[in-house]
Amino acid sequence: EDQVTQSPEALRLQEGESSSLNCSYTVSGLRGLFWYRQDPGKGPEFLFTLYSAGEEKEKERLKATLTKKESFLHITAPKPEDSATYLCAVYSVDSSYKLIFGSGTRLLVRP
Amino acid sequence: DAGVIQSPRHEVTEMGQEVTLRCKPISGHDYLFWYRQTMMRGLELLIYFNNNVPIDDSGMPEDRFSAKMPNASFSTLKIQPSEPRDSAVYFCASTERGQSGYTFGSGTRLTVV
Repeated sequence: EDQVTQSPEALRLQEGESSSLNCSYTVSGLRGLFWYRQDPGKGPEFLFTLYSAGEEKEKERLKATLTKKESFLHITAPKPEDSATYLCAVYSVDSSYKLIFGSGTRLLVRP
Repeated sequence: DAGVIQSPRHEVTEMGQEVTLRCKPISGHDYLFWYRQTMMRGLELLIYFNNNVPIDDSGMPEDRFSAKMPNASFSTLKIQPSEPRDSAVYFCASTERGQSGYTFGSGTRLTVV
């Protein structure tokens, strides 16, 4: 059964303090790994898709990387507006277009 | 594009009542998904459609839940009868084959009292 585990559950950072969020996955055959951002009261917002180990994607202060067992979302010099819940999801060769989500990491960036 | 549109945004109902949630996907998207989000279980896939046809409903918790997609621009998720444990935020999402990532709606917050 496909599984996604995210850590830590919650993370508090000072503005400018860089850190990383982890997403470990177990799938029968990875077709894609996704990162989403979710603000309170809103639906998840798509950030990145990674397809193969070694791949990296960047967007502003965020950088996502992928290995055969996990993905990291690196946040460089975060700002308070980066505060949100970050969700990781996968879909596998067996799951067609079904995304399996992790439980998320709640990030709070203090000014 | 207005994105994925869900209605209502909030619904409060009494136990035993029928609840209908609505979704309009992005035009041209051929996949539609219904997810439920709770603090305890996170985001769970309930059912998804491809070209208006239900493909996988294994996540639908009970026979009290049903979903339809009568055409490419509209889907409903119905709960009858509703129970307090159905309280959650229900999201609809859509995508098209070959596209990277889903687009989610803003969700419907359902409270069953």
